[in-house]
Amino acid sequence: QKEVEQDPGPLSVPEGAIVSLNCTYSNSAFQYFMWYRQYSRKGPELLMYTYSSGNKEDGRFTAQVDKSSKYISLFIRDSQPSDSATYLCARGPSSGSARQLTFGSGTQLTVLP
Amino acid sequence: DTGVSQDPRHKITKRGQNVTFRCDPISEHNRLYWYRQTLGQGPEFLTYFQNEAQLEKSRLLSDRFSAERPKGSFSTLEIQRTEQGDSAMYLCASSPRRGGPRSYEQYFGPGTRLTVT
Repeated sequence: QKEVEQDPGPLSVPEGAIVSLNCTYSNSAFQYFMWYRQYSRKGPELLMYTYSSGNKEDGRFTAQVDKSSKYISLFIRDSQPSDSATYLCARGPSSGSARQLTFGSGTQLTVLP
Repeated sequence: DTGVSQDPRHKITKRGQNVTFRCDPISEHNRLYWYRQTLGQGPEFLTYFQNEAQLEKSRLLSDRFSAERPKGSFSTLEIQRTEQGDSAMYLCASSPRRGGPRSYEQYFGPGTRLTVT
């Protein structure tokens, strides 16, 4: 089982729709989670960071962690064509001085005008 | 813009040749990371530096790979005797000198796309 599983999509929605992107993780010790957006042939761009459980909101984006089900979600409200990209979830290290992020395989999103 | 920069952006090389990539992190970021990303996959961790010290290495980092950060600023990643399986995007990231959970935030550069023919 991969440490972070992500539905690869592709996901296609009309402009203005609410988008839900999801990941599951395997180890309940993980506490730090991030969402990155990656446009084609570009580096990943940090969107949101969450620690432990609960919700975090930033403009049109909401990140949610449900530790009981080991589920992390990113919601995009009022989606725009410029949101078309691959969205990557990642978890931080579980302990110690380790620093690496472990990524899911990404979900490709297309927002149709 | 003072984001992470990488050079070159693209590299095409023949199998068996050596290649070297450079990464310049965001200024004052003391932590620097290398990842590799293949098509349809998320980035995979290769190695991590805190200042000039290489503190973590993935088992993905075979003997043909070496990374340095000699003065705690820019870093280089060298691949010797390249193989077709090395074809990928090589990403560099940096994170700031801060404590707490936000110290895990990593900011990525545009990547170097390597094609081995």
